[in-house]
Amino acid sequence: SQQGEEDPQALSIQEGENATMNCSYKTSINNLQWYRQNSGRGLVHLILIRSNEREKHSGRLRVTLDTSKKSSSLLITASRAADTASYFCATEPNTGGFKTIFGAGTRLFVKA
Amino acid sequence: DSGVTQTPKHLITATGQRVTLRCSPRSGDLSVYWYQQSLDQGLQFLIQYYNGEERAKGNILERFSAQQFPDLHSELNLSSLELGDSALYFCASGQGTGAGELFFGEGSRLTVL
Repeated sequence: SQQGEEDPQALSIQEGENATMNCSYKTSINNLQWYRQNSGRGLVHLILIRSNEREKHSGRLRVTLDTSKKSSSLLITASRAADTASYFCATEPNTGGFKTIFGAGTRLFVKA
Repeated sequence: DSGVTQTPKHLITATGQRVTLRCSPRSGDLSVYWYQQSLDQGLQFLIQYYNGEERAKGNILERFSAQQFPDLHSELNLSSLELGDSALYFCASGQGTGAGELFFGEGSRLTVL
């Protein structure tokens, strides 16, 4: 089963609005990452947040991590049509084994 | 361009056949990961190699096998193919044994008819 689960499964917003995606996971982790995938293409790394960090920013991206709730959120501010893509959270469980496990993703559609 | 090369980009074959997917990692990366993405689904972790050795195994079927060669390229072999094996197969590379940022190839799209 998936380690991470994103919510919502799909999100449609207007250009200029903010988009928030959530990720919940099951086991303790070393770090959590967010990736973006344009349709049918390879995934592109967006941001990594370590288990001892609570918030991280990168450009228009803001990621939070709550290890007590085993959840993370990705906020994209002032969205653009070019942000239309699927967004995945990925976790590295600290149970060993060096796996990076991906969730099912959130499909974001930004209308111009 | 991530620096990760996957071949072939597209592959159409019949049930029962065997195929090999190839991945060349980013220069300097020692780890290679394989993932399967079925239509509109998330990525299923298959297997990870580090510097030629298997380091982690996920939901990889017994009909599938992989290896990483001394020049660090990796191959994923899929045999006795079934219709349900149709998917995008991604290779990703990273620097160390622990996960950090992964760099993905553009994938190999396998269609089994």
